Amino acid sequence: AQKVTQAQTEISVVEKEDVTLDCVYETRDTTYYLFWYKQPPSGELVFLIRRNSFDEQNEISGRYSWNFQKSTSSFNFTITASQVVDSAVYFCALSEAQNQGGKLIFGQGTELSVKP
Amino acid sequence: DAGVIQSPRHEVTEMGQEVTLRCKPISGHNSLFWYRQTMMRGLELLIYFNNNVPIDDSGMPEDRFSAKMPNASFSTLKIQPSEPRDSAVYFCASSLGAILDTQYFGPGTRLTVL
Repeated sequence: AQKVTQAQTEISVVEKEDVTLDCVYETRDTTYYLFWYKQPPSGELVFLIRRNSFDEQNEISGRYSWNFQKSTSSFNFTITASQVVDSAVYFCALSEAQNQGGKLIFGQGTELSVKP
Repeated sequence: DAGVIQSPRHEVTEMGQEVTLRCKPISGHNSLFWYRQTMMRGLELLIYFNNNVPIDDSGMPEDRFSAKMPNASFSTLKIQPSEPRDSAVYFCASSLGAILDTQYFGPGTRLTVL
């Protein structure tokens, strides 16, 4: 069965620290996508990245980087030199081709607090 | 470009009342999704449409919930009658429609049923 696990419920760091948010997924499908979304205190869900199951290259976007490892079914997210504005709940999500690509299965989220 | 638009942003109603949530997807997007977010269950898909046709409504909790998409630019989620356990944030999202496309979310409607 499909599942996304974000074992870290809350993380607290001091500004400028690096922080890694873990995401482990389960799927029987060979074609799937993984996503990260950010939910700041204002409540909206902001898309950050999409990665397909055939592309294990790491991705970097500014202070954000993602590490996708199929061998461990993980898609971890690292924020380098964290800032107060990074404080939010971060969700990892999975979408499988067998579900006609329609259903996003979300993890429970990791609440990141960056203190000045 | 306008993102997904939802209205109202906040709704407070009495138990037993009918509630209608509205969504306008991003222009040109062919798939529309309704999600519900609660502390207990997190984010869960209620229903999604492709080209205005419901594809998967297995997440709709019960007959009190119904959703429609009369045209490509408008969808409603209705709860009748509402109950306190329906209190949640309801998100609408849209995507271009190809399999596994990125879903872009609206700001959400925070529903409180007293």
